[in-house]
Amino acid sequence: QKEVEQDPGPLSVPEGAIVSLNCTYSNSAFQYFMWYRQYSRKGPELLMYTYSSGNKEDGRFTAQVDKSSKYISLFIRDSQPSDSATYLCAVPGSDYKLSFGAGTTVTVRA
Amino acid sequence: DSGVTQTPKHLITATGQRVTLRCSPRSGDLSVYWYQQSLDQGLQFLIQYYNGEERAKGNILERFSAQQFPDLHSELNLSSLELGDSALYFCASSVGDGSKLFFGSGTQLSVL
Repeated sequence: QKEVEQDPGPLSVPEGAIVSLNCTYSNSAFQYFMWYRQYSRKGPELLMYTYSSGNKEDGRFTAQVDKSSKYISLFIRDSQPSDSATYLCAVPGSDYKLSFGAGTTVTVRA
Repeated sequence: DSGVTQTPKHLITATGQRVTLRCSPRSGDLSVYWYQQSLDQGLQFLIQYYNGEERAKGNILERFSAQQFPDLHSELNLSSLELGDSALYFCASSVGDGSKLFFGSGTQLSVL
């Protein structure tokens, strides 16, 4: 079983829409979770880091963790064309190495 | 700019050849990680070094090897290259285990 599963999409939304991205993970012992954003042919960049259950907000981005369901979400409000990218969730696997989801490619149409 | 430097940006080579990818971590980071990203496999962990010592291994092929030098830069060596080794190879660094990873811009390897 993979440590983290993510719907690869792709997802296409109009500018201004709310984007909702989701991942499920397998190990209930995971304590922290991350979201990375990757523009085409660039390295992933850390977008959000959450350590516990609940919500964390940073500008237009909200990361949500539901440990009871082993479900993590990323919401993008008022989406912009510049948000068009691939979003990857990440969880710490064995030996603290990060395991990444497959990534969801998002296109925000102007 | 993440502060992680990878060279070269692009590499084109032939099957059977050997290449070396280089990574300089962010200043102060002791851990270096190597990841492979391909369209069908996503971002796959290869290997981690911490302060010069191998810390964790992922699905790294025996034809691949890595090392971290005293100045903390790292090299990933890929030998007997096959067409299927064509991918983006990323280096990432962090302060320590379990910390946030910061990625370089990657090396695009094309094996022809």
